Amino acid sequence: AQTVTQSQPEMSVQEAETVTLSCTYDTSESDYYLFWYKQPPSRQMILVIRQEAYKQQNATENRFSVNFQKAAKSFSLKISDSQLGDAAMYFCAYRRAFGNEKLTFGTGTRLTIIP
Amino acid sequence: DAGVIQSPRHEVTEMGQEVTLRCKPISGHNSLFWYRQTMMRGLELLIYFNNNVPIDDSGMPEDRFSAKMPNASFSTLKIQPSEPRDSAVYFCASSLRGRAEAFFGQGTRLTVV
Repeated sequence: AQTVTQSQPEMSVQEAETVTLSCTYDTSESDYYLFWYKQPPSRQMILVIRQEAYKQQNATENRFSVNFQKAAKSFSLKISDSQLGDAAMYFCAYRRAFGNEKLTFGTGTRLTIIP
Repeated sequence: DAGVIQSPRHEVTEMGQEVTLRCKPISGHNSLFWYRQTMMRGLELLIYFNNNVPIDDSGMPEDRFSAKMPNASFSTLKIQPSEPRDSAVYFCASSLRGRAEAFFGQGTRLTVV
């Protein structure tokens, strides 16, 4: 069974600084997807970024980028120029590329932005 | 597009009562998921449908839970009878087959007293 581990329950960062959230996963599959979702206090689950395992290039979405290390099964999220609106719970998630489409989530990291 | 629409946003019910949660997926999406979020267990899949057919219901806790998808634009999750341990946030999500991303509704916060 696939597992996703987020070892940082809480993180904080000064506004405008950079922060990195960690995620590791375990799978025997070779093709899969990885995601970061953001959950602000409004409770909405918002997709931040996704990575296909077959792609060596790290995904980037504006201020958000990932460091995908397939051999190490590591998938960290870097947030640059942190803004107050980035404060939220961040969940790392895994999905097989073929077959069962369910998402397996980590336990989340609560990110606080210090003004 | 309006996104995934769930109703109600909040539900408070007494133990033993029947609860029905509703979901309208994004138009054109053919996979629909029900997830539950609790402090103890985090986010976990309850059931998912593809083309209105249940594919994986291994996360459904017990016979008190049932889910249906009578057509491509509507799904329900029913709990009967409800228990205090069912208190959680229930999310519905949908995706387009062949696309990796799943999009979530705003969730239903269920409180069973």
